[in-house]
Amino acid sequence: GAVVSQHPSRVICKSGTSVKIECRSLDFQATTMFWYRQFPKKSLMLMATSNEGSKATYEQGVEKDKFLINHASLTLSTLTVTSAHPEDSSFYICSARDLLGRNTEAFFGQGTRLTVV
Amino acid sequence: AQSVTQLDSQVPVFEEAPVELRCNYSSSVSVYLFWYVQYPNQGLQLLLKYLSGSTLVESINGFEAEFNKSQTSFHLRKPSVHISDTAEYFCAVSRSSNTGKLIFGQGTTLQVKP
Repeated sequence: GAVVSQHPSRVICKSGTSVKIECRSLDFQATTMFWYRQFPKKSLMLMATSNEGSKATYEQGVEKDKFLINHASLTLSTLTVTSAHPEDSSFYICSARDLLGRNTEAFFGQGTRLTVV
Repeated sequence: AQSVTQLDSQVPVFEEAPVELRCNYSSSVSVYLFWYVQYPNQGLQLLLKYLSGSTLVESINGFEAEFNKSQTSFHLRKPSVHISDTAEYFCAVSRSSNTGKLIFGQGTTLQVKP
């Protein structure tokens, strides 16, 4: 099946620094990728929809200047958490949908555990 | 707008016992329904989905779910669970069959005890 890879799987950073998370579709092209955030013992909340070659669409309440999304190619989207603070600590998961629409669901990456100290 | 409610946050069950994880949704339009499983510190894996056709859908590892439009439910069941089924289970809905924009329920932790 289709594979989506996220990197890094875990990252610890100091408060005030920025962290970049990569989401790659390894064996298919994805015009659209999605970024979710999962709080402890909570559900996944969609943060933004990443479209290749255009600006991301952010969900209500998500700060676009805080969570920068770049979708520069059909296989890569990045999420940068800028000036990270402890409250940004969370599990971030991306998903990607097949360009050709051959599959009826998006495939999820393994997730990135961000800890801001 | 769509929403998903998973009625049980935790479901403890003994190995080889049957289990049902409940999921109800609300929507003013037709939706597509999914169950995902998340093992500790991993991403989500699709367990099964309902798009159209038969209301009973099955996964390869013995889970099944039945779409009930009148009750707006999509409960997940397994007749005999294994220790390895211990995980977090998420019910999700989508307005379109081929979009990744999913609305998730709160999740249910299935704890299988020996």
